[in-house]
Amino acid sequence: GENVEQHPSTLSVQEGDSAVIKCTYSDSASNYFPWYKQELGKRPQLIIDIRSNVGEKKDQRIAVTLNKTAKHFSLHITETQPEDSAVYFCAEWGGSNYKLTFGKGTLLTVNP
Amino acid sequence: IAGITQAPTSQILAAGRRMTLRCTQDMRHNAMYWYRQDLGLGLRLIHYSNTAGTTGKGEVPDGYSVSRANTDDFPLTLASAVPSQTSVYFCASSALAEDTQYFGPGTRLTVL
Repeated sequence: GENVEQHPSTLSVQEGDSAVIKCTYSDSASNYFPWYKQELGKRPQLIIDIRSNVGEKKDQRIAVTLNKTAKHFSLHITETQPEDSAVYFCAEWGGSNYKLTFGKGTLLTVNP
Repeated sequence: IAGITQAPTSQILAAGRRMTLRCTQDMRHNAMYWYRQDLGLGLRLIHYSNTAGTTGKGEVPDGYSVSRANTDDFPLTLASAVPSQTSVYFCASSALAEDTQYFGPGTRLTVL
């Protein structure tokens, strides 16, 4: 069955530092990996995604890397700012079940 | 263009009552989804619909039903609410099943 493990569950960094969140998945047929940011009381919003034919994707201070052999993908945020503080969810879309499975989330706190 | 809307924003409900959460999108997306979000458990899929006229069960379907009579609307019904259904419910949609999902603002439901 599909399963996504996300680590760490909480992460606290100083403003300007980098933050890395990692997810592992079990379905080798998975081919789409989005990351969502959810601020307190708000809806989840897509911040970046990657498909299985790409190893890395970058959008300004945010990047995602994918290792299909090891079945893990990571979110990298550089030069963190207080407004980056939120809960971040990884997800994987598996070709075998046609559903998006989410990790349990990482609470990122950026201290000014 | 509103995107995806949900109603009500919040609701307090007595156990045993019937309740329908509404979700409407104006993006002509084929696929729609209902998730519940509970602290520490992330987002869990309740039901989904890949196209109008079809629905499927997600990870936690018991106690919930859905219908998809047209492209725009995807209501979620709790036939007889129980306290364990207290949660925040998010509706989402995507152009196709394998595409990016966009979330509604959520409904906070409390069952007493």
